This record gives sequence, C-alpha cells and structure tokens, in this order.
Amino acid sequence: DAKTTQPPSMDCAEGRAANLPCNHSTISGNEYVYWYRQIHSQGPQYIIHGLKNNETNEMASLIITEDRKSSTLILPHATLRDTAVYYCIVRADTGGFKTIFGAGTRLFVKA
Amino acid sequence: GAVVSQHPSRVICKSGTSVKIECRSLDFQATTMFWYRQFPKQSLMLMATSNEGSKATYEQGVEKDKFLINHASLTLSTLTVTSAHPEDSSFYICSALSGGTDTQYFGPGTRLTVL
Repeated sequence: DAKTTQPPSMDCAEGRAANLPCNHSTISGNEYVYWYRQIHSQGPQYIIHGLKNNETNEMASLIITEDRKSSTLILPHATLRDTAVYYCIVRADTGGFKTIFGAGTRLFVKA
Repeated sequence: GAVVSQHPSRVICKSGTSVKIECRSLDFQATTMFWYRQFPKQSLMLMATSNEGSKATYEQGVEKDKFLINHASLTLSTLTVTSAHPEDSSFYICSALSGGTDTQYFGPGTRLTVL
C-alpha cells in the first residue's frame, strides 16, 4: 500500500517555482522520502531523496517537516519539460527495498 | 545518474506467443531488480522482485508461471511473458537497485502489444 497522499494535479507557470506537497503521516523512523517523476511513456526518473534534513541537488529541493509527516518538492524554475507525474514515496533503507507507487501528482507547466 | 536499459522498447506479438524483455544496469551492479507493469492512465504496479542467483518474489495476484523472471547476473534480469494474450498488453518497466546508494533507477520501459 502506498503510504503517501498527494494532490492529483497542479498547475504552474513556466519560470515560476513549483511546490509539490506530500503527506506521509505514518512514516517510520527508518523510512526515507523519495521523489520520482514520470514523463509520458517513459520510465520514472529519480529526482531526490532525504531522511530528515532538507536536501538540494541540481534538479530540485526537498523540504521535510520537523515531524517528518510531510514534505515538499520544489522545482525552482519550472519549464515546460517539467510537465510530468511526480511520485512521492516512502521506503525503508533495509529489507525488501520495494518501491510502491501511489497515484502521484500530475504537474502541468504552462507557458 | 545510474543508467538502466531495456530491450526491446516496443514489441508487437500474436496471441499465444512468448515475449522476452531484458533489463540491464549499464554502469553499476544490481543484486536486486524489480519489474513493474503500467496500464494507461494508471500508476506503476509492482509485479515482482528479482534477486541475482535466486528465485523471484512475486506480488500477490501475479502469476509466476506466466511471468517468468530470471536474474542470472548482477547486470541482467529478464522477464518472459508466456502465452501472451491481449490483456497482457501493457507498459513493462524494470528498475535496478544501486547497492552503493540504495536508490532505485528505472529503465525506459517496454511497450507490449498483443494482437
């Protein structure tokens, strides 16, 4: 079962920041928060992950609340190519490592 | 980032035939690989977990005799859809777990159409 809740869709203007929320209120202490995205008819692309500290890489920033019950993926300057389905996933770093996908958020970046 | 390839990218076959899909980790070794299936406008559904040198673990409701998985090396896993039927038409995606980072990297997917 997916352990996360995301809004089904969001719009964002090109060049503006896209802030994608994710609720994971039942997250366990050893579970990481992972973000992937899937552009139409392609395999999912890894974006970023974190445990409790905020993380940033060349693609995005991940902000995790102090209680770890929610997080936000930030695309600082969205482009049309960022239009995709974004999946927030929680997964332990031990055991089966299975990544279970929920419905995700469909982000539309508009010109 | 790490690269995972799949072959073929697209296949069309007749009902009753078998189709083999290959998944390769190109620049890292993967002791664990995963196979997913995705129907139109739906999310990815995990089918099975494949561990190098051992039998695959199938998710509930997935027929192991129909979807044969072989993980013979640290860089290759194969999924064979046996006696394919039109309802098996789907987008099949593999992923490989990078032991160094514990991150899953996904292949580009294989579009299977059974006529």
